[in-house]
Amino acid sequence: AQSVAQPEDQVNVAEGNPLTVKCTYSVSGNPYLFWYVQYPNRGLQFLLKYITGDNLVKGSYGFEAEFNKSQTSFHLKKPSALVSDSALYFCAVIGAGANNLFFGTGTRLTVIP
Amino acid sequence: GAVVSQHPSWVICKSGTSVKIECRSLDFQATTMFWYRQFPKQSLMLMATSNEGSKATYEQGVEKDKFLINHASLTLSTLTVTSAHPEDSSFYICSARLRGLYNEQFFGPGTRLTVL
Repeated sequence: AQSVAQPEDQVNVAEGNPLTVKCTYSVSGNPYLFWYVQYPNRGLQFLLKYITGDNLVKGSYGFEAEFNKSQTSFHLKKPSALVSDSALYFCAVIGAGANNLFFGTGTRLTVIP
Repeated sequence: GAVVSQHPSWVICKSGTSVKIECRSLDFQATTMFWYRQFPKQSLMLMATSNEGSKATYEQGVEKDKFLINHASLTLSTLTVTSAHPEDSSFYICSARLRGLYNEQFFGPGTRLTVL
């Protein structure tokens, strides 16, 4: 079985400050991990993924995420938040042998001007 | 990057009517397409997985006779909500998997269905 946990429903951060959106996972075998962002009334936009290789993955819009196998985490980070980063963020995982993405419950990020 | 489109983006219909939603991969061939449903302030719930030329695989609890999925070609999948009722009102999102790139999924912009 595969699962994804996003422990924070809401994250507030001041503009210009670093942001972190947390994600932990549970899968059998090696995980394939993804972050997506959703703006109001829109579909999901791909931010970044970890398949293999370097644990630090860089993605779109200045976002990055670090794969930590021992902590089974894949936290999303950005050094300096923008008001336009305010959106709903989803972590997703595909476990070994699985056929589709399994999503976390989402974290709403609000960047305060 | 790969683009997935959905049509319509917003539809309002009367209870008892059927609504068809189209999902197209515009610049790539999608061997597999996925249909999700998203309730307000909730995560995406996978409804079904459709492979080109074969019957869709529905998730547990999803009525296959109510949510008809057809994956007629490598670039088109349709979801038909039959005899729609107000409880079917939701945001429906399709996703297409890029052929040859393991498990990379690209998402459409979504369709908001409101059943009166």
